[in-house]
Amino acid sequence: DIQLTQSPSFLSASVGDRVTITCRASQGISSYLAWYQQKPGKAPKLLIYAASTLQSGVPSRFSGSGSGTEFTLTISSLQPEDFATYYCQQLNSYPPLFTFGPGTKVDIK
Amino acid sequence: EVQLVESGGGLVQPGRSLRLSCAASGFTFDDYAMHWVRQAPGKGLEWVSGISWNSGSIGYADSVKGRFTISRDNAKNSLYLQMNSLRAEDTALYYCAKDIRGGFSGGSSGFDYWGQGTLVTVSS
Repeated sequence: DIQLTQSPSFLSASVGDRVTITCRASQGISSYLAWYQQKPGKAPKLLIYAASTLQSGVPSRFSGSGSGTEFTLTISSLQPEDFATYYCQQLNSYPPLFTFGPGTKVDIK
Repeated sequence: EVQLVESGGGLVQPGRSLRLSCAASGFTFDDYAMHWVRQAPGKGLEWVSGISWNSGSIGYADSVKGRFTISRDNAKNSLYLQMNSLRAEDTALYYCAKDIRGGFSGGSSGFDYWGQGTLVTVSS
């Protein structure tokens, strides 16, 4: 099975900072990767799918890139509402498997 | 407005069974794949199972394969998860989630709507 790792697992940043989170897959997954944001006590929210496609309604400060085994989620200018945990997720078509990464918590410096 | 409402969670003894339900509204249910995702207290997200729009493709995480069964009733706009032989490590908040696609092949995916979850606690 394909494994996902995320780095860093925790980061401390300030409002206005540019933040980059990396997700690596144990084998190539083309662009079959999504990113989610989760705040405490809330359900996850889809930010990016197909590695770089911004989900409708998500602010343009969020962007995704990458293909194959290495992917990044970038927040161009961190806002107060962006402090949360971020997860990547990969899709394997056959058999269907939708593995999540371990998460990256973004906290206030 | 899309709504996903889970039910059926509760306290159950190890080895027993539980059936979760998810009632969907606000979209054409039989156009989309659906999933169950769980989150143990203080832990990350774990995909549990997914089912395509017509039930033709189904997948399970290794951790639940052979014990859990996903199903859907498109006439009732409902998703189900039958959980047998429950273990302490199955304790989690179980979310129902809608896929952006109907099937699993030929492209990427994402879960664009989620319920608020139903809590399953497995303990004696």
